[in-house]
Amino acid sequence: ETGVTQTPRHLVMGMTNKKSLKCEQHLGHNAMYWYKQSAKKPLELMFVYNFKEQTENNSVPSRFSPECPNSSHLFLHLHTLQPEDSALYLCASSPRTGFGETQYFGPGTRLLVL
Amino acid sequence: AQSVTQLDSQVPVFEEAPVELRCNYSSSVSVYLFWYVQYPNQGLQLLLKYLSGSTLVKGINGFEAEFNKSQTSFHLRKPSVHISDTAEYFCAVKNDYKLSFGAGTTVTVRA
Repeated sequence: ETGVTQTPRHLVMGMTNKKSLKCEQHLGHNAMYWYKQSAKKPLELMFVYNFKEQTENNSVPSRFSPECPNSSHLFLHLHTLQPEDSALYLCASSPRTGFGETQYFGPGTRLLVL
Repeated sequence: AQSVTQLDSQVPVFEEAPVELRCNYSSSVSVYLFWYVQYPNQGLQLLLKYLSGSTLVKGINGFEAEFNKSQTSFHLRKPSVHISDTAEYFCAVKNDYKLSFGAGTTVTVRA
């Protein structure tokens, strides 16, 4: 499944580092999403972009900063993270943000904050 | 608001045995329902979805699920599992663009 790709697949960073996660979709979709998957917890929606415009910020701390330069690319810029931010970060895309649209997921970036 | 409850966090099962994963949801409006599977070290893959029509939905890899509106359930079944079905399974509910997930059920298939 190569419709949605994410890089890097693994990332270790210190609390004072700045890093970025990248997501790219090759499906011609117009909506993109960031999710956080922590151990033993349901997936948490973080951000939603529709046609490059942010339509949802699910009360995410400002140390996470998304960027969507076009409908195919989505970034998550990370700055001064905390150990509890360690998780699997999943990107997804869908044709639009409508009711019945299926979201397609990337493989995720596993982040460890030391 | 909507929520999803997956009633079993872990389900061990022997190869070629049937399996059922239970999912209940709550929502004040109509929703769409999904089951996703996550294999080790991979992202989520869509197994099946219910949008409308027949309440019995067939998906990939021999899985099927039945939507029961009166019981607000969407249980996933497979009549005979394989070792390769070892994975985590997520039930999800969608209202507008927001997809809400359950906590997941880990299925471990043993020979």
